[in-house]
Amino acid sequence: NAGVTQTPKFRILKIGQSMTLQCTQDMNHNYMYWYRQDPGMGLKLIYYSVGAGITDKGEVPNGYNVSRSTTEDFPLRLELAAPSQTSVYFCASSYSLMRGARRNGYTFGSGTRLTVV
Amino acid sequence: GQQLNQSPQSMFIQEGEDVSMNCTSSSIFNTWLWYKQEPGEGPVLLIALYKAGELTSNGRLTAQFGITRKDSFLNISASIPSDVGIYFCAGPRRRVYGQNFVFGPGTRLSVLP
Repeated sequence: NAGVTQTPKFRILKIGQSMTLQCTQDMNHNYMYWYRQDPGMGLKLIYYSVGAGITDKGEVPNGYNVSRSTTEDFPLRLELAAPSQTSVYFCASSYSLMRGARRNGYTFGSGTRLTVV
Repeated sequence: GQQLNQSPQSMFIQEGEDVSMNCTSSSIFNTWLWYKQEPGEGPVLLIALYKAGELTSNGRLTAQFGITRKDSFLNISASIPSDVGIYFCAGPRRRVYGQNFVFGPGTRLSVLP
């Protein structure tokens, strides 16, 4: 199994440009998450989804949008990129606590390193 | 809300030394997870703990579920250069954001040859 796949691995954007960070998982997890990690900092939740067609805001959602049209895919959209969005973005997925998250935790992708200049 | 604290924030050790780090919560947890993030990669699950007092090993790593259920400890014995990374703890989170787990801020480990 591939697990959680994120593309691209690196990207440089100019201020005001937009882009979509792709995330796909092949583990049939119902929960998916987007985090950002700034240098020397922990993980901050941007958006999450508990299933196809259901998304909601996390702790730092401003400047981002998501959609979840299928169980496998959870793209993150940046509109009007700003320097404050320079970060490393991680997508993760899991079962719910009742279905196995307590045993298996989250599976993370390898990240997308984004620089906005 | 539920928050986790990890200490130390960072540590520099000599190769071969043992390492200890901990994670504390203001809430009681029934699960503790420990993750490692290597440079340029996403976090990977190392150890999961499910009951107070439990001691679980994964190679040179040993984690313990604190008896108060509000803390957990991770020890690394005889450190090697590939132990470098950030170690995160995580515990189940009340559905404030619908997610299952909350993560600590991490302990950054550097191993000097």
